[in-house]
Amino acid sequence: EVQLVESGGGLVKPGGSLRLSCAASGFTFSSYSMNWVRQAPGKGLEWVSSISSSSSYIYYADSVKGRFTISRDNAKNSLYLQMNSLRAEDTAVYYCARDINWNFSRWFDPWGQGTLVTVSS
Amino acid sequence: DIQMTQSPSSLSASVGDRVTITCRASQSISSYLNWYQQKPGKAPKLLIYAASSLQSGVPSRFSGSGSGTDFTLTISSLQPEDFATYYCQQSYSTLLFTFGPGTKVDIK
Repeated sequence: EVQLVESGGGLVKPGGSLRLSCAASGFTFSSYSMNWVRQAPGKGLEWVSSISSSSSYIYYADSVKGRFTISRDNAKNSLYLQMNSLRAEDTAVYYCARDINWNFSRWFDPWGQGTLVTVSS
Repeated sequence: DIQMTQSPSSLSASVGDRVTITCRASQSISSYLNWYQQKPGKAPKLLIYAASSLQSGVPSRFSGSGSGTDFTLTISSLQPEDFATYYCQQSYSTLLFTFGPGTKVDIK
């Protein structure tokens, strides 16, 4: 069974840092690009960042550029999101999602269950 | 940046109703459009990819259509388990994936 399990969320003060992890199983992790998507309480989905299978290509939403760093360890089947200089508006559930690429189309499947990050003093 | 809009933002419907949700892109995105379903407290689930391809395991009452800037998600006969929020997502610009604001489908 393909599975993604996020961890590392919690309560952090503004300006603080947090590192999220996503453990993958049930598929060849090193063959897929991966993504982080977040959802603020009661709000819609916001794509945060993506990383290619070999980490050669990395992209960020403007809202997190320069503060967040996506990375992966294919030997450990793990995806990470290092979040620095956190702001109240970063409060959200963070999901990792596998990136499926076929015939120039791309979509996210599956998604992990999410981990909640709360930025508050 | 490509902006995505959805209409309506919410709708009330009864079991057995035919439901149509519209998604519009601010520029042509060919068929690079996906649909997700999200239930409260749960992760999003892929329903439709590449505008009209049904994800494996998704009931055939769900269908997608459209290309260019205008797309639709149709539920042919609404079932109790279909009450959820539905999001479209463009994957034309993979430097910046964009989701629509969502359409909440609830019980009339």
